[in-house]
Amino acid sequence: DTAVSQTPKYLVTQMGNDKSIKCEQNLGHDTMYWYKQDSKKFLKIMFSYNNKELIINETVPNRFSPKSPDKAHLNLHINSLELGDSAVYFCASSQGRPGSYNEQFFGPGTRLTVL
Amino acid sequence: AQSVTQPDIHITVSEGASLELRCNYSYGATPYLFWYVQSPGQGLQLLLKYFSGDTLVQGIKGFEAEFKRSQSSFNLRKPSVHWSDAAEYFCAVGSSGYSTLTFGKGTMLLVSP
Repeated sequence: DTAVSQTPKYLVTQMGNDKSIKCEQNLGHDTMYWYKQDSKKFLKIMFSYNNKELIINETVPNRFSPKSPDKAHLNLHINSLELGDSAVYFCASSQGRPGSYNEQFFGPGTRLTVL
Repeated sequence: AQSVTQPDIHITVSEGASLELRCNYSYGATPYLFWYVQSPGQGLQLLLKYFSGDTLVQGIKGFEAEFKRSQSSFNLRKPSVHWSDAAEYFCAVGSSGYSTLTFGKGTMLLVSP
């Protein structure tokens, strides 16, 4: 059984479009995250939710809007896509609040390519 | 602010040889330290973690890491590398005072026959 799943795995779209990436975890964790991994493999936190509450919102353009309908899901919606948004986006989850020492479990990633 | 430095962008090791990947962190208090591995096209998988206690920690797949406070280091080691170990390795630091993990830029491990 997949612990953290993301859809789609690949996403190719034109500049200016709006797209969403979905994430689901079946681990019963309280906290979920979105990370962006750029072309140089640098991994940077974007958002974190704990029990559907936004905890971390790093310096991310407001074109990016996370939504957590319940604690098992954290979706990422991106408006007006730009070339610089091309990256691999990883969802992760962990038990407890952010800042605890609990392991984060990562999804397989969504490779977004903006043309 | 906490930070992580992985000084080696890539390392090539012969199969069967020993491996050490370097990680240095910057944080004032006792950090939580992690090593993750990312195989091509995959998500990150936790290899091992350190919070407190014994400074030598054992992980999965035969990996170990040693926390050295005096050197602000948490280097990853494996006595004998297998071809399947070829991947990207990330060191990360967290703490109760911060809400997130900070990752290093990764070290790509290449294994030669």
